Amino acid sequence: AQSVTQLGSHVSVSEGALVLLRCNYSSSVPPYLFWYVQYPNQGLQLLLKYTSAATLVKGINGFEAEFKKSETSFHLTKPSAHMSDAAEYFCAVSPTGNQFYFGTGTSLTVIP
Amino acid sequence: DAGVTQSPTHLIKTRGQQVTLRCSPKSGHDTVSWYQQALGQGPQFIFQYYEEEERQRGNFPDRFSGHQFPNYSSELNVNALLLGDSALYLCASSYSGGYETQYFGPGTRLLVL
Repeated sequence: AQSVTQLGSHVSVSEGALVLLRCNYSSSVPPYLFWYVQYPNQGLQLLLKYTSAATLVKGINGFEAEFKKSETSFHLTKPSAHMSDAAEYFCAVSPTGNQFYFGTGTSLTVIP
Repeated sequence: DAGVTQSPTHLIKTRGQQVTLRCSPKSGHDTVSWYQQALGQGPQFIFQYYEEEERQRGNFPDRFSGHQFPNYSSELNVNALLLGDSALYLCASSYSGGYETQYFGPGTRLLVL
């Protein structure tokens, strides 16, 4: 069975501080992994994806994520938070490419 | 280049009614997936359409059905609406599935009273 666990439904950071959003997955086959961001009243926008190439993946807006097979993790980081980063973040796993399994999301608040 | 578009943006229905939601994929995409996102939850996969056929289905009852047209646009139909069907319905398009990135539309917010 495939699933995604996002630890921490709410994360608050100060502007300029490190952002760390956690994602652990379970998959019966080597997965493809994704991070999406959702702003209020909008659809999901792809931040980055892991497709079995480099384990450190760089995405848009300064975000990056590292795939760690031994820890079954794909945590999202950004060195310095900006006010515009405040949004809901979703981690997703896709074992087959056809069906995506999403986590429950982490709401990021950036404190000025 | 227009992205994924969905209509309507909002919809209010009563229990027992039927609803049809529409999605136009991003230009060049031939695969459409539908998701249900309840308030405070992540999107849940409903089904995926490719070449006008349902290719894969999530854990949703038969009340949820869909269709894909030759121009790759798609409809999601929900019959006998329940209060629990209230959610944001997201459409995502991709090229032939298979690990290609899914691009999401803004969604249709359905409220069932």
